[in-house]
Amino acid sequence: QVQLVQSGAEVKKPGSSVKVSCKASGGTFSSYAISWVRQAPGQGLEWMGGIIPIFGTANYAQKFQGRVTITADESTSTAYMELSSLRSEDTAVYYCARAVVRLGSGYYYGQHWGQGTLVTVSS
Amino acid sequence: DIQMTQSPSTLSASVGDRVTITCRASQSISSWLAWYQQKPGKAPKLLIYKASSLESGVPSRFSGSGSGTEFTLTISSLQPDDFATYYCQQYNSYSLTFGGGTKVEIK
Repeated sequence: QVQLVQSGAEVKKPGSSVKVSCKASGGTFSSYAISWVRQAPGQGLEWMGGIIPIFGTANYAQKFQGRVTITADESTSTAYMELSSLRSEDTAVYYCARAVVRLGSGYYYGQHWGQGTLVTVSS
Repeated sequence: DIQMTQSPSTLSASVGDRVTITCRASQSISSWLAWYQQKPGKAPKLLIYKASSLESGVPSRFSGSGSGTEFTLTISSLQPDDFATYYCQQYNSYSLTFGGGTKVEIK
């Protein structure tokens, strides 16, 4: 079955960067999207961006443009999300999801989700 | 960005009740809508895609309907395992967006 395993919790200082990994197993990696979604404590879901490995390009929510970089390594079926210039408001659980791509578009919805990675930003 | 508005934000119901959650889009998204269930401390779980298609393994008491700008998620007979928060998400643009969530609580 499809499984996504994310890297462990991180504690970061304001102004630093964090890189979260998401390793997929149990299915074809390249022909799906990997979507990144975060959830601040007590808040809702917020889409950050995603990548379709077979296309190779990522797209990002405008809010995170310039601060987030999403990449994928097809050889290891692993996706990465790096967020820079961290501030306290970035404290959240970060999820990756293997997403089904709508035919003929670059749009997608998350079908299988990782367990989440807690990133805490604190001085 | 397309804005997604869910209502109500909180819903109190009893086991066996029929429950309906609404999601409205700020512009037409055809049928490109997904619904998720999330329990505390857990990742979201896909319930419905393309507005009304039931994800494999999801109980048939869950159903989705709607198109354009107005959508509903219905639980025909609420079960103890269904107390959770539900989110809609549109996938009709390069900037995906979620609704604010609806928490279903025990009455």
